[in-house]
Amino acid sequence: DAKTTQPPSMDCAEGRAANLPCNHSTISGNEYVYWYRQIHSQGPQYIIHGLKNNETNEMASLIITEDRKSSTLILPHATLRDTAVYYCIVLFSNDYKLSFGAGTTVTVRA
Amino acid sequence: GAGVSQSPRYKVTKRGQDVALRCDPISGHVSLYWYRQALGQGPEFLTYFNYEAQQDKSGLPNDRFSAERPEGSISTLTIQRTEQRDSAMYRCASSANREGLSSGANVLTFGAGSRLTVL
Repeated sequence: DAKTTQPPSMDCAEGRAANLPCNHSTISGNEYVYWYRQIHSQGPQYIIHGLKNNETNEMASLIITEDRKSSTLILPHATLRDTAVYYCIVLFSNDYKLSFGAGTTVTVRA
Repeated sequence: GAGVSQSPRYKVTKRGQDVALRCDPISGHVSLYWYRQALGQGPEFLTYFNYEAQQDKSGLPNDRFSAERPEGSISTLTIQRTEQRDSAMYRCASSANREGLSSGANVLTFGAGSRLTVL
């Protein structure tokens, strides 16, 4: 039961912003949107999460539409080290099972 | 420790042998999770502990798989009578938050994983 839909892959130029879309049209009011990424064979790494408001931290920004049916992760200045698989996950606050899906493979090119 | 530590990093075993994979979570983290990741796919949930209590083992594939966390810190995932289909990366994660945290910030920190190959 896939709760999110992401494009399978995208390319981005080094130094430019990378905008990663995610559709979650069946999200419920109490579900958060989380983003994790997995670089090569490393373990997944938390990036950011949000409920309704846009969020920003040192890694990225998360823009959630007003109807919460979709969101965009923004990497403001992509570097080669940002090449990874990015996972968009929706989760209740008291849930613990991350359902990773296939994610988006982002390739940052010099 | 500073991060989630898993051992062994690589394990090659023969079909039918038992294996034990160890996870040492971040010090003080309440919750511990086991995931399994096949090549080219995202991690899949296996089981989860709060302190020493196993809260959910619904993701364990069958009764050959078991996990324990007897003192609420280090955890061991044991696979008995291994089969070739058990070959995968086994990942452990921990988080500081207990189930039911209202802030939604249940951030998992993953270890580097244990790659199991069953011949």
